[in-house]
Amino acid sequence: GAVVSQHPSRVICKSGTSVKIECRSLDFQATTMFWYRQFPKKSLMLMATSNEGSKATYEQGVEKDKFLINHASLTLSTLTVTSAHPEDSSFYICSARGAGGDSYNEQFFGPGTRLTVL
Amino acid sequence: QKEVEQNSGPLSVPEGAIASLNCTYSDRGSQSFFWYRQYSGKSPELIMSIYSNGDKEDGRFTAQLNKASQYVSLLIRDSQPSDSATYLCAWSFDTGRRALTFGSGTRLQVQP
Repeated sequence: GAVVSQHPSRVICKSGTSVKIECRSLDFQATTMFWYRQFPKKSLMLMATSNEGSKATYEQGVEKDKFLINHASLTLSTLTVTSAHPEDSSFYICSARGAGGDSYNEQFFGPGTRLTVL
Repeated sequence: QKEVEQNSGPLSVPEGAIASLNCTYSDRGSQSFFWYRQYSGKSPELIMSIYSNGDKEDGRFTAQLNKASQYVSLLIRDSQPSDSATYLCAWSFDTGRRALTFGSGTRLQVQP
């Protein structure tokens, strides 16, 4: 159980285009999902908390108009990087919190999306 | 001050030895602690969660938590070359959003 998928796994795009990344919880419902970004040889940095049916909560320094998050259902959250630039190139990873019981505080990660902006 | 401190390593141990990974944290709130393993180019994989003081064992892995001293550790017994990865400790509050705060990770190398 607790499987999270992410699509696409890799994307290369031109500067100025927008890229949408999907995160799905496959075998449980996730009212809260999280989006992280990881630069090479660095740790994961939380970008935003995605809440089903309401607006996302962004961390300080993360532009909400650039990184659009939509949590349309209990199993799907999307991150859209708008007008991407080379400095947005990174590894984007989503996670979902466990459904209940002992796993309620545990987060399970998707496989990640490697974005390269040319 | 960083919220979660980890030695970046690399920590090198011979195959079959015990690898000991440590993490200290600065916040004294009510928290849960986690150890994740991350292979190069992959996303983190949950190894252990620990919520109360003491030891928690799962197979070759033992997590230890000492809230008074504000540290959490992970022991890997009978280390295998396949254990070579970066190990991330993380914590979250037990209430609210429960977002994870990660340490910078310790790179473990198990020498065959």
